[in-house]
Amino acid sequence: GDSVTQMEGPVTLSEEAFLTINCTYTATGYPSLFWYVQYPGEGLQLLLKATKADDKGSNKGFEATYRKETTSFHLEKGSVQVSDSAVYFCALSERVKDTGRRALTFGSGTRLQVQP
Amino acid sequence: DSGVTQTPKHLITATGQRVTLRCSPRSGDLSVYWYQQSLDQGLQFLIQYYNGEERAKGNILERFSAQQFPDLHSELNLSSLELGDSALYFCASSLGQVTGELFFGEGSRLTVL
Repeated sequence: GDSVTQMEGPVTLSEEAFLTINCTYTATGYPSLFWYVQYPGEGLQLLLKATKADDKGSNKGFEATYRKETTSFHLEKGSVQVSDSAVYFCALSERVKDTGRRALTFGSGTRLQVQP
Repeated sequence: DSGVTQTPKHLITATGQRVTLRCSPRSGDLSVYWYQQSLDQGLQFLIQYYNGEERAKGNILERFSAQQFPDLHSELNLSSLELGDSALYFCASSLGQVTGELFFGEGSRLTVL
């Protein structure tokens, strides 16, 4: 079945450092890929998405490129802020014939801690 | 604020008991999803409803059941509770059946003692 693998956390960075959180996936078809973010005490919220190969999703300074050849969707940000401290989840949604798409399959999450 | 409302926010109960978690989706959303988040299992998809009908099932135990009512709110029933059921239960909603951009509630934290 579908699966998503993320790098283990926590990732601890100083403010203004460059961020990469690795995400790779396994899917039988052509999934759409997502990054969700969970701030402390809150539910998940969509950060960015990409629906086909070579698409780049971007939002709030974060970017991720859908790489079909390496089955990856790594999250990057050039300069992190303390307010970016959160748990980041990579997810995929694969198309199936009967219902359109399956519900999202999430990775295990990567906690990011940004220190001032 | 995502527009998805979950109650209760916190719940403490004993093993063997039964609880009901409630979710009101965003206005206009027809799909409701339930997820379980625990420290060792991550975020696990339980079940999806669309306009009152079950559409997809994930890793939901037989002790758990859910339904979506005509007003589109949903309830997740957890029975014969075990210590391992302690987790954060999230509800999410989306406009249609096509998933991707889900709007999550703040979750219901269940503690089984």
